[in-house]
Amino acid sequence: AQSVSQHNHHVILSEAASLELGCNYSYGGTVNLFWYVQYPGQHLQLLLKYFSGDPLVKGIKGFEAEFIKSKFSFNLRKPSVQWSDTAEYFCAVTTYNNNDMRFGAGTRLTVKP
Amino acid sequence: GAGVSQTPSNKVTEKGKYVELRCDPISGHTALYWYRQSLGQGPEFLIYFQGTGAADDSGLPNDRFFAVRPEGSVSTLKIQRTERGDSAVYLCASSLNLAGGPGNEQFFGPGTRLTVL
Repeated sequence: AQSVSQHNHHVILSEAASLELGCNYSYGGTVNLFWYVQYPGQHLQLLLKYFSGDPLVKGIKGFEAEFIKSKFSFNLRKPSVQWSDTAEYFCAVTTYNNNDMRFGAGTRLTVKP
Repeated sequence: GAGVSQTPSNKVTEKGKYVELRCDPISGHTALYWYRQSLGQGPEFLIYFQGTGAADDSGLPNDRFFAVRPEGSVSTLKIQRTERGDSAVYLCASSLNLAGGPGNEQFFGPGTRLTVL
C-alpha cells in the first residue's frame, strides 16, 4: 500500500519568507497527489491537486507544488508567506485504481507577523 | 448550500458504550469516505462507499467498527464496545465520484471529536 512522508513536523517562518514543505510517497504506479490545509478551528480544504499533465501545479492563495516522478516527491511552495498561512498542511495520495486516500502526518506552519 | 455536515460535533462516552456518528454528504455526491484523525497524525482511511455499497472497508480497524449508507446519501459510522484508544476526530468526506479518477476532489466535513473515558 502507498504511504506518504512529510519531513517537517513544525515549521516557523517570518512573514515574507519563502516556504517549501516536503512530501514523498511510496508507490511505483500512477498516482494522484493532493495538498490539503487545515486552518485553526476549520476543516480540511484542498489547496491543490495533481492528476496528470504539467507537473507544476498552481493552487489557491499563491501556493504551488511540483511533482517530480523520479524523486517520488510533491513538495509544496509559496514564495512569500503571510501570517494568515498559519495552519496545518497535509500531503495526500491516491492511486489510479485505489480510492483510499493516504495522508502524511502533517506539517504545522507558524508564520510570525 | 451546504458542504459536508457531521453530527454530533463532539461526543463523550464511557468505555464499553455504543456510539453512532452521522455524516451528511454534499447533495449529488455518490462517493463517501470516513477517516479517523488522531492527535498529531494525518487522517487515516477507514472506509468508502460508492452509492449504498461499501466499496472498500479495508481501513476499519476491527469488527467493532461498522458503517452503513442505506439510501446512498447519509452515512452512519457505528462503534461498538468503545475503547479509550478509539478517541479521535472522525472525518467524513464526499466526492462527485470515486477519487481514483481525475477531477474528483474530496470535500471534508468538520469532523466529530469522540472522547472515550
